[in-house]
Amino acid sequence: EADIYQTPRYLVIGTGKKITLECSQTMGHDKMYWYQQDPGMELHLIHYSYGVNSTEKGDLSSESTVSRIRTEHFPLTLESARPSHTSQYLCASIGRGSGNTIYFGEGSWLTVV
Amino acid sequence: KQEVTQIPAALSVPEGENLVLNCSFTDSAIYNLQWFRQDPGKGLTSLLLIQSSQREQTSGRLNASLDKSSGRSTLYIAASQPGDSATYLCAVRSGGGSQGNLIFGKGTKLSVKP
Repeated sequence: EADIYQTPRYLVIGTGKKITLECSQTMGHDKMYWYQQDPGMELHLIHYSYGVNSTEKGDLSSESTVSRIRTEHFPLTLESARPSHTSQYLCASIGRGSGNTIYFGEGSWLTVV
Repeated sequence: KQEVTQIPAALSVPEGENLVLNCSFTDSAIYNLQWFRQDPGKGLTSLLLIQSSQREQTSGRLNASLDKSSGRSTLYIAASQPGDSATYLCAVRSGGGSQGNLIFGKGTKLSVKP
């Protein structure tokens, strides 16, 4: 059982609000990822990190930002939410000892109204 | 650019049937391929991971095969059960070896009827 947690699980917020989606893992994994998934569609990588103070943008352009100040924590922030940001956001991690298996959190469903 | 396609998009079978889910990818230079299960409103659970040098992996009633040269993988589910109902996703890691990012297919939504 993987120990990777996301909060909040479900959130409805108004346009223009600032929101931070939290992701924490207790496995000591170096690599962490944020994916965005619309219903019935494939996952798209929006951000990743290979370690503390390392962050990169993914394949899909996103208006969100991330930070990696601690190994276990990889929050994603939207400074001004818009309805187009409505989606599911999935956090994941990989560790050196995990055989390249990627572990996912349960996801954060964001609705912007 | 790597693209991953899964066929069929949806599948409905009676309980007890054996079934095959298909995954194809356009660039055969992959590092590994992974099959996941996603239940509604949940994250992804890893089922099987096949390294590029391997041909197949097995876990219980699941068997995944990999034919890198033809750009294909299959997930075989034996004696399907209603609890197998979920969306099954295929993802390949390519371009950068173990540092490469995962490219996902859209998934196959499986429904097993009791």
